[in-house]
Amino acid sequence: DAGVIQSPRHEVTEMGQEVTLRCKPISGHDYLFWYRQTMMRGLELLIYFNNNVPIDDSGMPEDRFSAKMPNASFSTLKIQPSEPRDSAVYFCASSPDRGVSTDTQYFGPGTRLTVL
Amino acid sequence: EDKVVQSPLSLVVHEGDTVTLNCSYEVTNFRSLLWYKQEKKAPTFLFMLTSSGIEKKSGRLSSILDKKELFSILNITATQTGDSAIYLCAVGESTGTASKLTFGTGTRLQVTL
Repeated sequence: DAGVIQSPRHEVTEMGQEVTLRCKPISGHDYLFWYRQTMMRGLELLIYFNNNVPIDDSGMPEDRFSAKMPNASFSTLKIQPSEPRDSAVYFCASSPDRGVSTDTQYFGPGTRLTVL
Repeated sequence: EDKVVQSPLSLVVHEGDTVTLNCSYEVTNFRSLLWYKQEKKAPTFLFMLTSSGIEKKSGRLSSILDKKELFSILNITATQTGDSAIYLCAVGESTGTASKLTFGTGTRLQVTL
């Protein structure tokens, strides 16, 4: 079974441009998480979905960030307009809905975003 | 505010040494503690602990949780260069609908020949 799939793997853009990151969770997983990782702040949860519904977006830094999950096999994280401080590795993770096993999240390979 | 604190921040050891990584936490509704290994790419799952005093073991790696003192340790015996990575501790807490993970900043382990 394929793991979590993310695209693109690397993205370099200029300040002010729109950036869209994509994620396909593991089939059958009901939870999807978006994280951002930087050297300074480590791994931070941005938003998570359960059965395609956003549950907690309190980690989204500001209105420039938005996330959608139109169906069980696809999610996007959009930054518009992008700024240099958004440069980071963005991870998507998914987990099954099976009691405490939900806590075991499986991570995708990440998208390394550089905003110039 | 919920916190997960890992120590040491970084560690350099020689191949064959034994290392102990620490994770302490303060969360409101504890449900689980997880250890991940991150090399150059995504964090990969190692262990999930939910009960105090029960050791989880996988090869040269083992981990135990103390829910009274609010900490966990990850032990690696007979370290190898392939163990070089960032080790992340995360704590899951019940939020009603799902468990959110709060990650520590990690311990960077380097194993030298």
